Amino acid sequence: DAGVIQSPRHEVTEMGQEVTLRCKPISGHDYLFWYRQTMMRGLELLIYFNNNVPIDDSGMPEDRFSAKMPNASFSTLKIQPSEPRDSAVYFCASSLASGGYNRGSDTQYFGPGTRLTVL
Amino acid sequence: AQSVTQLGSHVSVSEGALVLLRCNYSSSVPPYLFWYVQYPNQGLQLLLKYTSAATLVKGINGFEAEFKKSETSFHLTKPSAHMSDAAEYFCAVSPRGSNYKLTFGKGTLLTVNP
Repeated sequence: DAGVIQSPRHEVTEMGQEVTLRCKPISGHDYLFWYRQTMMRGLELLIYFNNNVPIDDSGMPEDRFSAKMPNASFSTLKIQPSEPRDSAVYFCASSLASGGYNRGSDTQYFGPGTRLTVL
Repeated sequence: AQSVTQLGSHVSVSEGALVLLRCNYSSSVPPYLFWYVQYPNQGLQLLLKYTSAATLVKGINGFEAEFKKSETSFHLTKPSAHMSDAAEYFCAVSPRGSNYKLTFGKGTLLTVNP
């Protein structure tokens, strides 16, 4: 398997522009997660989906951020309008629920990340 | 709310020396615990995880971690460091049950000196 695929790997944009980050999870996985990594705040969970349905978006910082998962093999994270403080590395991760007694402990597989710079 | 604290943002060891990376968690109920590694310009990769079985967990690349409930700790160790172990290491916690939210520590950067 190719693993989690993210595009673009690098994005440089100007303040006020719309930015769309893309993610293709591992085939067959039913959970998808979006994280943001910054020096100041570390790694933060933004939102996660189960079977394409958003389950928890409490980590989404503002209304400028939105995420969608139109099908099991694709998700987007959109920032509109972008601001310099949005500069970070954004990771997508996916996992397969094992069920049973230890459900919730499933391994999350991370993509390589998108480094976003907003000027 | 659960949280995890990694003591030491930067640890430096010599090649062949013991690696010890510290992690303490805060939770009223023993959670699931994880160690992830991040190599430069890459995503995170799972090293090992504690669910509810043995308290000593063995992971990839010779790493292991011991869950100690009395100390609320889950420290990561490796008997002999290798140059290829240089990376950033993250401890993470998630609550038991169907909640899949991982909370990460701030990370510890491991440097291995020749």
